[in-house]
Amino acid sequence: AQKVTQAQTEISVVEKEDVTLDCVYETRDTTYYLFWYKQPPSGELVFLIRRNSFDEQNEISGRYSWNFQKSTSSFNFTITASQVVDSAVYFCALSEDEGGSEKLVFGKGTKLTVNP
Amino acid sequence: DTGVSQNPRHKITKRGQNVTFRCDPISEHNRLYWYRQTLGQGPEFLTYFQNEAQLEKSRLLSDRFSAERPKGSFSTLEIQRTEQGDSAMYLCASSLTTVNNSPLHFGNGTRLTVT
Repeated sequence: AQKVTQAQTEISVVEKEDVTLDCVYETRDTTYYLFWYKQPPSGELVFLIRRNSFDEQNEISGRYSWNFQKSTSSFNFTITASQVVDSAVYFCALSEDEGGSEKLVFGKGTKLTVNP
Repeated sequence: DTGVSQNPRHKITKRGQNVTFRCDPISEHNRLYWYRQTLGQGPEFLTYFQNEAQLEKSRLLSDRFSAERPKGSFSTLEIQRTEQGDSAMYLCASSLTTVNNSPLHFGNGTRLTVT
């Protein structure tokens, strides 16, 4: 069965600190997709990244970077030089469907608070 | 791109009443999904449509829940005889299935409180 574990329930940092959000997943499939979503207080889930299981290259987008390691079934997310606007709940999610976009299985989320 | 729109944003109802939520997906998206999110948890899949066809329903979706997407555009989610355990945020999402499938785009959700 699919499962996503985000062991960190809450993290609090001071602005400009770097912070890493952990995500560990379980799946029996060889083809799967991993996602990160951000949920600010407004409630809307904002898509950040999608990764397929065959692409282990790390990705950087501005202050965001992602480290995908199949050997440890992890897909960690790092925010560099955090800002107050980064405060939100961050969800890691897994999809086994070929389309790569439906029936996401979400972790419980990590609430990040960035203090000024 | 106006995004996924959900109405109402909040709904308070008494136990036993019926409620209906509406979702308007991004216009060119052919797939529409419903998820439910309770406090402190991640969203859980309920059901999804491809155009007007409902392709899958989670076992979380009891027979008191029904979803429709009659013309393949907007969708409604109805809960009959609401229970306190139905209190949650109901999220709608849409996507476009092409060679390079788009990821899910979520709406702001409808927060249901059953008293």
